[in-house]
Amino acid sequence: AQKITQTQPGMFVQEKEAVTLDCTYDTSDPSYGLFWYKQPSSGEMIFLIYQGSYDQQNATEGRYSLNFQKARKSANLVISASQLGDSAMYFCAMSTTYNFNKFYFGSGTKLNVKP
Amino acid sequence: NAGVTQTPKFQVLKTGQSMTLQCAQDMNHNSMYWYRQDPGMGLRLIYYSASEGTTDKGEVPNGYNVSRLNKREFSLRLESAAPSQTSVYFCASSEAVQGASYEQYFGPGTRLTVT
Repeated sequence: AQKITQTQPGMFVQEKEAVTLDCTYDTSDPSYGLFWYKQPSSGEMIFLIYQGSYDQQNATEGRYSLNFQKARKSANLVISASQLGDSAMYFCAMSTTYNFNKFYFGSGTKLNVKP
Repeated sequence: NAGVTQTPKFQVLKTGQSMTLQCAQDMNHNSMYWYRQDPGMGLRLIYYSASEGTTDKGEVPNGYNVSRLNKREFSLRLESAAPSQTSVYFCASSEAVQGASYEQYFGPGTRLTVT
């Protein structure tokens, strides 16, 4: 069975500092994709970044990067130079190539950016 | 280009009432999904449709039915609402195809309360 674990229910970070949000996953499928989504207080889900299990390099998208450690089954999101607008819930998700339409989400981390 | 739209945005039902949540996407995606989001539990997949005319159960399908009316539209029906179905419901779509994962695009959500 597939499972995503986010162990940090809430985090604080000072504006302009970097922050790492943890995500560990469990799957026996050798081919899978990992995703991070942001959910602001307004409620919409916004896609941030994707990492494929066979990608050789860690994914980056602007201020977002994914620290992918395959052996440890972790896919941590790093946000550099935090901004007030980064305050939101962040969800890690996974789907496998075998069950490519079944997405599994973690319980989320609430990030608060302090001015 | 509206992306994924959902109606209604809010709904209050009495126990035993029925209703249908509507979802439409204009991105020509093959796959569509229904999730529910409960506090502290992230998103859980209710049903998904990999193509027009096909539907499959997700993690929490009991108490729900779905219809993939055409490529654009995917509806979720509650035949006899129960308080346990109080939640926020999200529709999503993706260009996911066999053997590949792609990010999902989400609608704005429907906040449903069953009293």
